[in-house]
Amino acid sequence: ETGVTQTPRHLVMGMTNKKSLKCEQHLGHNAMYWYKQSAKKPLELMFVYSLEERVENNSVPSRFSPECPNSSHLFLHLHTLQPEDSALYLCASSQIGGDEKLFFGSGTQLSVL
Amino acid sequence: SQQGEEDPQALSIQEGENATMNCSYKTSINNLQWYRQNSGRGLVHLILIRSNEREKHSGRLRVTLDTSKKSSSLLITASRAADTASYFCATDITGGGNKLTFGTGTQLKVEL
Repeated sequence: ETGVTQTPRHLVMGMTNKKSLKCEQHLGHNAMYWYKQSAKKPLELMFVYSLEERVENNSVPSRFSPECPNSSHLFLHLHTLQPEDSALYLCASSQIGGDEKLFFGSGTQLSVL
Repeated sequence: SQQGEEDPQALSIQEGENATMNCSYKTSINNLQWYRQNSGRGLVHLILIRSNEREKHSGRLRVTLDTSKKSSSLLITASRAADTASYFCATDITGGGNKLTFGTGTQLKVEL
């Protein structure tokens, strides 16, 4: 978890709210990821950014909007979410062409009311 | 359908015992990785084994890979209470590490 910082740690929002999750990596990596972790389900890969370009979008609803302004920062903008979107959202980074392992942040526990 | 499935879903052992977790997957892989997650936290990488390797060690961890059976196992020897966590296998089909597919995990509880 060291080297990847996520804020906020907890977020409660109503279905009409707009909020953003932030992720910052201090490891000099060239790829960043958003994963969703729901109870009793496998981690779901949502988005992948490699060299600041989105290279993966796993059919995620448009109410989730990622942004990667540079190689160190990743955002997930949220709007008009549904209660089933409540989950732990994990950011990760890696070095493509390097040792192929992911470094995760501590996650944002999101509750949608 | 998910690529990796861990077995058992939950495991409870006494401190000092060994813990074995298994992972099965469906398609050919470039490498397989094991991660650990403490409750409500992010995942931490433990070990990576490539498709041309059969066994790998790291401290008290031993990972095996059988590509003919499409399965892997993670053995934690001499377990400690601090090993209590969820353990996930993740498969990398393409190599490069930018698209890992995770299983649902094994919840390990090590009791004093």
